[in-house]
Amino acid sequence: NAGVMQNPRHLVRRRGQEARLRCSPMKGHSHVYWYRQLPEEGLKFMVYLQKENIIDESGMPKERFSAEFPKEGPSILRIQQVVRGDSAAYFCASSQGQGPQNTEAFFGQGTRLTVV
Amino acid sequence: AQSVTQLGSHVSVSEGALVLLRCNYSSSVPPYLFWYVQYPNQGLQLLLKYTSAATLVKGINGFEAEFKKSETSFHLTKPSAHMSDAAEYFCAVRSTGNQFYFGTGTSLTVIP
Repeated sequence: NAGVMQNPRHLVRRRGQEARLRCSPMKGHSHVYWYRQLPEEGLKFMVYLQKENIIDESGMPKERFSAEFPKEGPSILRIQQVVRGDSAAYFCASSQGQGPQNTEAFFGQGTRLTVV
Repeated sequence: AQSVTQLGSHVSVSEGALVLLRCNYSSSVPPYLFWYVQYPNQGLQLLLKYTSAATLVKGINGFEAEFKKSETSFHLTKPSAHMSDAAEYFCAVRSTGNQFYFGTGTSLTVIP
């Protein structure tokens, strides 16, 4: 049973380009979370999605950032017109979302975005 | 609203000494609580979790945590630190709405 898969692991974009980060949750998981981590900082919640629905996007910047989790395929975090301040590690996590035995979130290895 | 507070962003201990990382939570209902560890350039890995069963929870790598409702705490301990324990540690609480709230993290340094 593969874990949470994120790709690419490293992504370099020039200012103004678009960045697409992909996350395939663990098999059987229908809840996906995206977090951003800057050096020496903790995890900042961005968005929580279930299949085809955005449940909580209170941590997403109002502009340039969007996320989706389609019925088929991975969850996508999309950053348009990237700026240097978007450089960070972006982590995806998934959970089954039901029952006391399946309460935790499982994390991917992250995508490290560098904007040059 | 639910949240966690980790006291001490940096903790240093000598190899072989007790490790104590503090976490206090805020929750209006019995919580699900977690400790995660993050090694450099890696994702977060679950150390242990509390799900309203035993208040003393044992995890991987010799770590354990005790849920104390009266103190709203879930501190992480390990009797004897090892060099390989050097990492970033995060406490988290899961809400009834399936949202996860993380603390700001504690960086553990182990001194030889």
